[in-house]
Amino acid sequence: EVQLVESGGGLVQPGGSLRLSCAASGFPFSGYWMYWARQVPGKGLVWVSRINTDGTTTSYADSVKGRFTISRDNAKNTLFLQMNSLGAEDTALYYCARGFYGNSLDIWGHGTMVTVSS
Amino acid sequence: QSALTQPPSASGSPGQSVTISCTGTSSDVGNYNSVSWYQQHPGKAPKLMIYEVTKRPSGVPDRFSGSKSGNTASLTVSGLQAEDEADFYCSSYAGNNIVVFGGGTKLTVL
Repeated sequence: EVQLVESGGGLVQPGGSLRLSCAASGFPFSGYWMYWARQVPGKGLVWVSRINTDGTTTSYADSVKGRFTISRDNAKNTLFLQMNSLGAEDTALYYCARGFYGNSLDIWGHGTMVTVSS
Repeated sequence: QSALTQPPSASGSPGQSVTISCTGTSSDVGNYNSVSWYQQHPGKAPKLMIYEVTKRPSGVPDRFSGSKSGNTASLTVSGLQAEDEADFYCSSYAGNNIVVFGGGTKLTVL
């Protein structure tokens, strides 16, 4: 079964850091671009970041550029999102997703919740 | 990186058709055939319904169709069914390795 499972979310203080992981299974992970998106409960989806197949090309939304770093370990079929200098505005459910044709996202995990609060 | 513009709500009766718009600019929707649509039921992860403006992934009913004219893309749901009630989001490639989502539309089946 094709599956993405996020982990690493939790409660963190403002200014703190968190590293999210996304374990992929059921498909050749190294052959796909991967994405992170987030959603404040009750609000809309927001694209956060994406990475190419070998990790050499990354891009970020302006709101997280310079604070978040996307990476991947193809040997371990795992996607990461290192989040630094977290603020209340980063509180959201974070999804990882698999890239498909036309910059679409065809497989999504169920998300991991990040709460930034003192 | 401005969000694409969607109406906050749309509705229709069972069996009817409803169209949801997604308005961007000449830098995103108008410049690339990379518009996607996602359906999200409460408490669930988004599901890809349309990619590359008009294409349906395997398993998506042909009641769902996409189109684009200029800077505006549209999703049409024909033969509305109760299970179609959900939030719908559009997205588009915006150049420079950036992707942008719309604000979402809550579809209500009356």
